[in-house]
Amino acid sequence: DTEVTQTPKHLVMGMTNKKSLKCEQHMGHRAMYWYKQKAKKPPELMFVYSYEKLSINESVPSRFSPECPNSSLLNLHLHALQPEDSALYLCASSQVYPMVIGNYGYTFGSGTRLTVV
Amino acid sequence: GQQLNQSPQSMFIQEGEDVSMNCTSSSIFNTWLWYKQDPGEGPVLLIALYKAGELTSNGRLTAQFGITRKDSFLNISASIPSDVGIYFCAGLENAGGTSYGKLTFGQGTILTVHP
Repeated sequence: DTEVTQTPKHLVMGMTNKKSLKCEQHMGHRAMYWYKQKAKKPPELMFVYSYEKLSINESVPSRFSPECPNSSLLNLHLHALQPEDSALYLCASSQVYPMVIGNYGYTFGSGTRLTVV
Repeated sequence: GQQLNQSPQSMFIQEGEDVSMNCTSSSIFNTWLWYKQDPGEGPVLLIALYKAGELTSNGRLTAQFGITRKDSFLNISASIPSDVGIYFCAGLENAGGTSYGKLTFGQGTILTVHP
């Protein structure tokens, strides 16, 4: 299995809603990432989990709350979002250093298209 | 922070033409990656480069890792309609003392291929 699976594919939520994005991989990767991407722009890193522990929070607002329940799953909990948070949210996973030196097998999921109304 | 300058920003070509795009960086990367992204999908890895000066091919794609480790180019030969999409370069670094690899993306090249 060489895939990163994200659900749901599309999500529309109101500014008072609470929702969660889910990401799953079974490649044995111990690093997992959340990125946010606006149309025709590069992905922007939000969070990094390494060995199920939060390693990087790129100054993301607290209305985004990540969770890594185990080595295969990564969640992003959403609460009180703003319309400007509408974007494609991408999950990625990779191997960890120094187990491998090279491209780390960095793999992206297909993303969740989030619309905040 | 580090930035990657990717050019051109967009290209409009006829089917069958060759395409070239490149990325430059102010800093050194140990690995360069080239991704393609289709609308509504995540980036898909095309080519990974690990060594300075390395030239790697993947079908009609060829990419090179610059000698200075600060630049890379991607060539697509004999373009076809399904080559349409956004192409991103990315520099991968393992920040000292960390276990994960951090990606820095270029701004992307939007490719349009006319049949």
